[in-house]
Parts: sequence; C-alpha cells; structure tokens
Amino acid sequence: AQSVTQPDIHITVSEGASLELRCNYSYGATPYLFWYVQSPGQGLQLLLKYFSGDTLVQGIKGFEAEFKRSQSSFNLRKPSVHWSDAAEYFCAVGLMSGNQFYFGTGTSLTVIP
Amino acid sequence: GAGVSQSPSNKVTEKGKDVELRCDPISGHTALYWYRQSLGQGLEFLIYFQGNSAPDKSGLPSDRFSAERTGGSVSTLTIQRTQQEDSAVYLCASSLSTGGPYEQYFGPGTRLTVT
Repeated sequence: AQSVTQPDIHITVSEGASLELRCNYSYGATPYLFWYVQSPGQGLQLLLKYFSGDTLVQGIKGFEAEFKRSQSSFNLRKPSVHWSDAAEYFCAVGLMSGNQFYFGTGTSLTVIP
Repeated sequence: GAGVSQSPSNKVTEKGKDVELRCDPISGHTALYWYRQSLGQGLEFLIYFQGNSAPDKSGLPSDRFSAERTGGSVSTLTIQRTQQEDSAVYLCASSLSTGGPYEQYFGPGTRLTVT
C-alpha cells in the first residue's frame, strides 16, 4: 500500500540554524510530491511541489526540497530558520492515476531564540 | 482571487445533535476534498468529489457522516447524532481536477467541539 512517512514527530531548532525535515514515500513509480505548512489555527499552505525534471525544487519562504529516487525521499530544507517558521509541516504524495493524495502525519517545528 | 472558504469557523454542539459544515471551493475547481484533523494528528481523508459525484466514500468513518455537492460548487458535510470522538478540525480543499499533479488548496477549517 502507498504510504508517506515523516519520521520526526517534533523538531526543535534555534533561530538562524539550518533545517531538514524528512519525508519518505512508498510507491512503485515516481509520484507527485508536495510539502505543505500549517500555521497554528490556519489551513494548509503549499510550500513547494515536484513533478519532474530538476530534482531540487525551490519554494516559498526560502524553502527547498530535493527528490532522491534511490531513497524514495523528498526532504525539505531551509538554510536559516526564522521564528515565523514555527508550524506543522506535512509531506504529501499524489499519484498519477485516480484521485489519491496521501499525507504524512506531520512534523511539528519549534524555533527557539 | 478568493480562496477556499469554510463555515462556520467554530461549532460547539451537544452530543447527539446533527451538524452541517459548509465548504465553498475556488471557482472553477472541479475537485473537492474533505479531511479531518484530530488534535495532534495528521490529515484523515474523508471523501472527495469530482464535480457533483463522490466516487470514493471509503474514508467516511461511519454512516453518521455524509456529504453532498451541488452545482459543482458548494459542498456540505453532515454529521448526524454527533459523538465526542467527532470533535476535530474539518478541512476542505479544492483543486482543478483530481489526480496527482493537481495541488490542493485548503480552507481554514471548521473546528467542531462535541460536548
């Protein structure tokens, strides 16, 4: 069965430090990959997406993600975290056929001064 | 342009009462999704619509849950005889169409509390 795994339930980083949030998927072919962010009390906002081509994709708010086929991973990164980045981050996978769209369980990010 | 809107933003109801949650998708989006997010949990898929049709209802937790969509636009999620375990944030999303490449745009959610 298809699945999306975010191994880190919660991560704490210092402001200005670098960040990497992990995402692994289980699917037989290359899916469409997304990262969403959910600020407290808000809906989900799309950060970036990967469909094909260059495996390093740039998103909003200074985030980037790299697709690694060999590792079935799509990790989210940011070189320098800002306090406003504190939020819940969800990785999602969309399949090429049908309507299926799978979300990971999320990673909660805390940023300390 | 306008994003996805949901109403009410908050709903407190007594156990056993029925509730209706509304979602207004982005104009022109044919696909509409409902999710449930319990405290500290990820997103639980409930149902999706392509147009007015709901091909996949497998995510609905029980027969107390139903949803409809009219005119290819507004959707209503109805929960009958609410239970305390129904307390959650209900999120609606829309996209241009169903399938992998179409990103979903989310509304702010309806926070349902069953007392």
